[in-house]
Amino acid sequence: DTGVSQDPRHKITKRGQNVTFRCDPISEHNRLYWYRQTLGQGPEFLTYFQNEAQLEKSRLLSDRFSAERPKGSFSTLEIQRTEQGDSAMYLCASSPAIPLSGNTIYFGEGSWLTVV
Amino acid sequence: AQKVTQAQTEISVVEKEDVTLDCVYETRDTTYYLFWYKQPPSGELVFLIRRNSFDEQNEISGRYSWNFQKSTSSFNFTITASQVVDSAVYFCALSEANSNSGYALNFGKGTSLLVTP
Repeated sequence: DTGVSQDPRHKITKRGQNVTFRCDPISEHNRLYWYRQTLGQGPEFLTYFQNEAQLEKSRLLSDRFSAERPKGSFSTLEIQRTEQGDSAMYLCASSPAIPLSGNTIYFGEGSWLTVV
Repeated sequence: AQKVTQAQTEISVVEKEDVTLDCVYETRDTTYYLFWYKQPPSGELVFLIRRNSFDEQNEISGRYSWNFQKSTSSFNFTITASQVVDSAVYFCALSEANSNSGYALNFGKGTSLLVTP
């Protein structure tokens, strides 16, 4: 399978603990995105990378959140000192370099986080 | 401001009925892209279609069809002869060429479609 893969798929953690999610994009894609989705809502943009550079961060990404993409391959999203409001599904997506006809973004299956 | 509005929160139809999911968008860009994604209970967002702002041709793919009308800023999705496997949440999304977020998608809140036998 050469799609976007995410790990772990489910995580339950106690409030105050740190969690880290990993995303492996489609291999030839140089753009990588993180989204957050809560129940009954559409996904919301958090941040994106072009290769290893993090080019944009949403105001939703508080100081407790940090994302990295070393060497422009896989990416990690870490949440420090988790709060119950962080409970959501975290979606990773990737896309190729922008062709003239636009950009199609492909999503992984998501990582569900429950903070208790 | 919400850039993509999906006014229908939930729709329930009986198998073999046709169903249309509405999407209205808002943008100041002249170059933009519209998408539909399907999200089954497993959670993965499945890409269905992308349309470019400069191409208003409607598209048909099997039982799926899309009606893009710039005059009303709408990009509606019709499923013909619905099947139980079509049950999912469907999201409409907008990507703007002049955004700072690398063509990131702005999603609507989704329409939950339930198709019963």
